[in-house]
Formats: sequence, C-alpha cells, structure tokens
Amino acid sequence: GDSVTQKQGQVTLSEDDFLFINCTYSTTTYPTLFWYVQYPGQGPQLLLKVTTANNKGISRGFEATYDKGTTSFHLQKASVQESDSAVYFCALVDNYAQGLTFGLGTRVSVFP
Amino acid sequence: EAAVTQSPRNKVAVTGGKVTLSCNQTNNHNNMYWYRQDTGHGLRLIHYSYGAGSTEKGDIPDGYKASRPSQENFSLILELATPSQTSVYFCASGDGTPNSDYTFGSGTRLLVI
Repeated sequence: GDSVTQKQGQVTLSEDDFLFINCTYSTTTYPTLFWYVQYPGQGPQLLLKVTTANNKGISRGFEATYDKGTTSFHLQKASVQESDSAVYFCALVDNYAQGLTFGLGTRVSVFP
Repeated sequence: EAAVTQSPRNKVAVTGGKVTLSCNQTNNHNNMYWYRQDTGHGLRLIHYSYGAGSTEKGDIPDGYKASRPSQENFSLILELATPSQTSVYFCASGDGTPNSDYTFGSGTRLLVI
C-alpha cells in the first residue's frame, strides 16, 4: 500500500535558521502531495499542495518540489520564525476517494 | 465560511460504554473521513464515506462503526469503548477529485477509563 516517510521526528532551530524536512513516499501511481501543519489543540491545516510531478508548491515562505525521480517532497523555508513552531505532516492522495495517507509528522521548535 | 465542526471537544467514557462522535461540514463535499491521531502513529484512517448513506472501512476500522445520514453529517460510533481507543479523533472532508483540498475539524479528545 501507499506510505509516506518522514525520518525526522523533531527539529530544533533558532529564528532566521533554514528549515528542511525530509519526506519520501511510496505509491504505484502519481499521487497528489501535501504538506499540512498542526498547531497545538487544532486540526491539521493545509500548508501547500502539488498535483503535478516536477512542480513546486509555495505558501507563506515554505516551498516543496514534487520529485518523481527520487519520490520525494521535501519541505523547506529559508528563514523560520518562532510562529513556525508546529508539527508538519507530509501526506499523499492516491485513490482520491479514500483520503490522505500521512507521514508520522515532524515537530519543529523555533527559539528566539 | 466553509468548515468542519466536531462535537464534543472532549469526552470521558467508561470502558464498555457507547460513544458517538459527531462531525458536520459546510463545504458541500461528497467525501468525509474519520482519523485518529496517536503519538508514534501519526494520523490513521478509520472510516470514510462517499456520500449520504455510504460508509467504507479505512485502515483501522476494528471496534468502530460509522454513519452518514446526510451530506453534512458523519458520525463515528464506538459501541463498546475500550481504553485502547483513548485518542484524538479528527474528521475531515474532501470533494473526491484530484485537485481536492481536505479540511479538518479541530478534533475530539476521547479518554476511555
């Protein structure tokens, strides 16, 4: 079945640092890829989405490129702020009726 | 504003009791989903629905039932709650197309004692 792997469980940064979160996926087709962000006490919120291979999604300073060759969808941001502290989930949709398959999430903590 | 609303926000249940978690969406989406979130497991799909009257098993359906009486409402039912079902439950909706966004509710925190 489909799977999403996020190797980093936790990332700790200082403000203005570069953020990189690794995400790889496994599926038999060409899925739509997502990054969701979850703040404490809230549900996951869509950060960005890419439907086409080799395209890039950009939102709020975050970006991720759909790399079909390496089956990756890494998230990066050039300069993080304390308000970026949250849990970030990589996810995919393969069968569009059956919803999202999530990675385990990466907790990002940004300190001033 | 289109949204997904879950109730209750918090619930304490006794082992063996019946629990119903409710979800309402105003997105006019055909598809709705129930996930549970646990440390070390991420979000896992329990049940989903294509529309009113339909329910389908997700990846971890054992011990759960679902009900979709209308386009807007989707319930998750624990007939005999167990402590292993202590978790945070999220409802989501999507339109079932390749370009769909998936909108989540704020979650229900369930404690089974």
